[in-house]
Amino acid sequence: EPEVTQTPSHQVTQMGQEVILRCVPISNHLYFYWYRQILGQKVEFLVSFYNNEISEKSEIFDDQFSVERPDGSNFTLKIRSTKLEDSAMYFCASSQTAYEQYFGPGTRLTVT
Amino acid sequence: DAKTTQPPSMDCAEGRAANLPCNHSTISGNEYVYWYRQIHSQGPQYIIHGLKNNETNEMASLIITEDRKSSTLILPHATLRDTAVYYCIVRAPETSYDKVIFGPGTSLSVIP
Repeated sequence: EPEVTQTPSHQVTQMGQEVILRCVPISNHLYFYWYRQILGQKVEFLVSFYNNEISEKSEIFDDQFSVERPDGSNFTLKIRSTKLEDSAMYFCASSQTAYEQYFGPGTRLTVT
Repeated sequence: DAKTTQPPSMDCAEGRAANLPCNHSTISGNEYVYWYRQIHSQGPQYIIHGLKNNETNEMASLIITEDRKSSTLILPHATLRDTAVYYCIVRAPETSYDKVIFGPGTSLSVIP
């Protein structure tokens, strides 16, 4: 069964460094998303992406964040200058229909 | 999207049916009921969705009351692997490509 994959599974970085989180959505999906979950809190929406542009972004998704689909298979989330409060699980999701979104296993980002 | 109300936690004996309720008394006529779950440290997982008819798939059954003000997710034979947080979400079709908004959900513990 096709699935969303994410790399790396765990990323440790120092405050102020740039990180890129990578996702490979399901191949025939057209809609892509990033969510994050701070430890012990609920899953929060960051951004949605369709037709090579951002469809919607949350208040969390400020100028430090960017997304890109550099080729036909990858979808990336970049954080330019990480802060301690960016430490969280980051989930990528994709969808083909208007109904279900398929989530990846997540990348645990730890900022020290 | 209409608001949903779920009990914060439930227990279920292994092998028995788990019945998870959701109240959505302000649901509009065109809004669907979706269920997702999140097993600890994993990405959310789509389970099922429905509009007004009862639905069944390989994972679960969804029973929606005739007035559509509440629904029940049924896991017919709960296993330990079904221990997770279950989210009931109401969304309209025109927003279905948008973000999934996760509430606190119901934390289901399947007990041996």
